[in-house]
Amino acid sequence: QQQVKQSPQSLIVQKGGIPIINCAYENTAFDYFPWYQQFPGKGPALLIAIRPDVSEKKEGRFTISFNKSAKQFSLHIMDSQPGDSATYFCAASKRGKNSGGSNYKLTFGKGTLLTVNP
Amino acid sequence: DAGVIQSPRHEVTEMGQEVTLRCKPISGHNSLFWYRQTMMRGLELLIYFNNNVPIDDSGMPEDRFSAKMPNASFSTLKIQPSEPRDSAVYFCASSLYENQPQHFGDGTRLSIL
Repeated sequence: QQQVKQSPQSLIVQKGGIPIINCAYENTAFDYFPWYQQFPGKGPALLIAIRPDVSEKKEGRFTISFNKSAKQFSLHIMDSQPGDSATYFCAASKRGKNSGGSNYKLTFGKGTLLTVNP
Repeated sequence: DAGVIQSPRHEVTEMGQEVTLRCKPISGHNSLFWYRQTMMRGLELLIYFNNNVPIDDSGMPEDRFSAKMPNASFSTLKIQPSEPRDSAVYFCASSLYENQPQHFGDGTRLSIL
């Protein structure tokens, strides 16, 4: 059972465009939602993360929007650049105080290959 | 600051051989995670250690897979015997504490012929 569904699988935008990547989750116990960026031949790197007590978080050109009732969250990249071309993964985990060791498991979406054309 | 270091970066071996993947976490990090990445299944957590102790190995696919963390600066993931379906990129990640962001190594690309 896939617990985090990510779309689209691939996305092509022009430089300066605003790509949007969407994720939906099923487990209402999830309370930590990070986004990772992965370049070819490299490991995923944490980009930005959000907790469900806020509806939006911005870091530079990257914004997460979170809709708790719909169990959905999305990544927006403002003024996208060719250097942003990479695979983006959303993820979710339970990180509550009393959650115990196994609840730090990250469940990843399948990834979105973003291409930003010059 | 050195990140998570994995070796080898690439491994090609024949079916039935033993494969050992190695990971050196970031110094001072007390949690270590092994992941497998394939096109079909994406990124999957295999096993997670906290303070060198395996906490959750429910993602380990079968008994052919084993992982150890003999000390805070070294972990291994072993496959014996290896099979073609084990071909994937294997990542190691570490975090300062269990609830801190995970930092990934650059992975080992494993091909089993």
